[in-house]
Amino acid sequence: GEDVEQSLFLSVREGDSSVINCTYTDSSSTYLYWYKQEPGAGLQLLTYIFSNMDMKQDQRLTVLLNKKDKHLSLRIADTQTGDSAIYFCAESIEGYSSASKIIFGSGTRLSIRP
Amino acid sequence: KAGVTQTPRYLIKTRGQQVTLSCSPISGHRSVSWYQQTPGQGLQFLFEYFSETQRNKGNFPGRFSGRQFSNSRSEMNVSTLELGDSALYLCASSLDREDSHEQYFGPGTRLTVT
Repeated sequence: GEDVEQSLFLSVREGDSSVINCTYTDSSSTYLYWYKQEPGAGLQLLTYIFSNMDMKQDQRLTVLLNKKDKHLSLRIADTQTGDSAIYFCAESIEGYSSASKIIFGSGTRLSIRP
Repeated sequence: KAGVTQTPRYLIKTRGQQVTLSCSPISGHRSVSWYQQTPGQGLQFLFEYFSETQRNKGNFPGRFSGRQFSNSRSEMNVSTLELGDSALYLCASSLDREDSHEQYFGPGTRLTVT
């Protein structure tokens, strides 16, 4: 079946690194995504990784993919108060289309301590 | 470039009524997807339209329908509303090319059914 799981909450101190983890079940996933949702807003695509890659870095964001364990993580370096949000892990299946059926995790609420 | 727009932003309806939500994709984007977000079920894929045709469909009852116009704008309709249909409805658009795997979300329409 198709399922994406994430822990619900993460609290980190400002300036530390945040690591948000996600596991997925569908081995036919082609792309894996991280989205950010701030209160009252839609989803913002942060980054994505193709399933044949191990790592992708984009400024403060690092995505690690362990395809064998079906584990995806998002590391945010030097976490700031503006990073407070809900972070969704998602996988796309059924072909290359970016708008193929996408399965979302339940989201991890990241809160920042001063 | 303007982002994805959704109208209306907020809507209150009563049980049994029907509702139509609208989504205007980013200029040049031909694929539009709809999602339902609720606290209990999280983000769930409703359907995707491309070139005025429904290309993918999630597991929602037939009361949920949609369409896409020749200018790529999309509408979603829910008939015979139920209390459980109260949710944030998100629309996302994408270029739908092999070298582009990014979906851009609108701010959503918050539907409350009383």
